[in-house]
Amino acid sequence: GQQLNQSPQSMFIQEGEDVSMNCTSSSIFNTWLWYKQDPGEGPVLLIALYKAGELTSNGRLTAQFGITRKDSFLNISASIPSDVGIYFCAGHNTNAGKSTFGDGTTLTVKP
Amino acid sequence: GAVVSQHPSWVICKSGTSVKIECRSLDFQATTMFWYRQFPKQSLMLMATSNEGSKATYEQGVEKDKFLINHASLTLSTLTVTSAHPEDSSFYICSANKPGNEQFFGPGTRLTVL
Repeated sequence: GQQLNQSPQSMFIQEGEDVSMNCTSSSIFNTWLWYKQDPGEGPVLLIALYKAGELTSNGRLTAQFGITRKDSFLNISASIPSDVGIYFCAGHNTNAGKSTFGDGTTLTVKP
Repeated sequence: GAVVSQHPSWVICKSGTSVKIECRSLDFQATTMFWYRQFPKQSLMLMATSNEGSKATYEQGVEKDKFLINHASLTLSTLTVTSAHPEDSSFYICSANKPGNEQFFGPGTRLTVL
C-alpha cells in the first residue's frame, strides 16, 4: 500500500526559530493534509492542500503541495512554546477513501 | 473546521468486560468514519473504516469480532471493544470525512483495562 516518509522524526529547537518538516511518498496523492496533535488529544487539521504547487499559509504556518504530487512540506516561523506537539502529514486520494498518515514529527520548543 | 466528538473521554474497565466508544460528527453528515488506535509516542494506526448502512472494512490484523463497529446513522459510529484485556489499553481516536477529502478527528478516548 501507499506509505509516507515523514522527517525529521523529532526536533528540539529554541523559541523564535523557524521549523521545517516534510513528507514524501512513492505514489501520488491529490490532497495533502497537515495535522497537529497535543498530548492526550486528537489531531487537529492545520492546513489542507488540494493542487500541485499550491502554497498555503495559516498564521505562522506555511505548507506546500509538491509539483510531483508526491511530497509536501510544512514550515513554522518564529516558533513559540505552544507549538510543541506531534505534527502529522497525510496524503489522500478520493478513490481510496482513507488517508495515509506519516509517522509524525515531534516538536519540542525550548523557551 | 468541523466538530467531531467522542464519548467517553476516558474509561477504566476490568479485564473481560466490553467497552463502547461513540463518535459523532456534530455539524456535518459523514458517510464514512474511521477508527484509529495510538500507542504512546507512536503514529496513528488505522483499525477500520466505518461505512454508514454497511459493514465496516477492517485493516489487516484487526479482529472484527473483537472490535465491533456500527455506523447506524450519518452522524454516529460506535466502536465496541469486546472482552477487553490489558493489551487493548490504548488511545482510540475516530475521524470523519467531510466532502472535499478533509478528515476531522475526535478528541480521543483513553482506554485502560485492568
